[in-house]
Amino acid sequence: DAGITQSPRHKVTETGTPVTLRCHQTENHRYMYWYRQDPGHGLRLIHYSYGVKDTDKGEVSDGYSVSRSKTEDFLLTLESATSSQTSVYFCAAGDRTGLRDGYTFGSGTRLTVV
Amino acid sequence: DQQVKQNSPSLSVQEGRISILNCDYTNSMFDYFLWYKKYPAEGPTFLISISSIKDKNEDGRFTVFLNKSAKHLSLHIVPSQPGDSAVYFCAASAGGGTSYGKLTFGQGTILTVHP
Repeated sequence: DAGITQSPRHKVTETGTPVTLRCHQTENHRYMYWYRQDPGHGLRLIHYSYGVKDTDKGEVSDGYSVSRSKTEDFLLTLESATSSQTSVYFCAAGDRTGLRDGYTFGSGTRLTVV
Repeated sequence: DQQVKQNSPSLSVQEGRISILNCDYTNSMFDYFLWYKKYPAEGPTFLISISSIKDKNEDGRFTVFLNKSAKHLSLHIVPSQPGDSAVYFCAASAGGGTSYGKLTFGQGTILTVHP
């Protein structure tokens, strides 16, 4: 099934542990994004990538890092998880036509930090 | 500082009637606007977009209107169907280059369409 796959779909982790979420796309899109969704905030951009090894921060990047060593994979790492990072995380991907045709989102990863 | 606002947390309409979802923004640099629909436990799905050089874009039952002077846009769904029941997000984008495609989302509006 083409599109975007996020893994894991659900994760419970303890405070202080590192966590890595994976986003895999099969459409060879240049741009990839990580968002988090929280009640009352909609979706907020964490980090994004405009090419292999090219990444930059979004509006809520503190406590997160990303890596993109291949076009198809965009990893989000929580260096030391905190309860405030309990959220649903969405990955999106697209190209220069994305603003006109929409960016494709994955199904999300529900992360709980206890 | 919420640059994109959806001031109605929820909207309830009857099947077959029009649904109007509203969105306001503050950043005059936004030059593209998108609407997404989201069902529970799924990712957002793209519905329709509009460039700031237009004031209307239509796709089937969905029409988006943009009023730049008021910094306001709206999504009209006609006729509404029970399957349209979902959370609707308004999103906006500004800038190009390496910042291309970064979206700022509103809080979302829950639409319920009653049979």
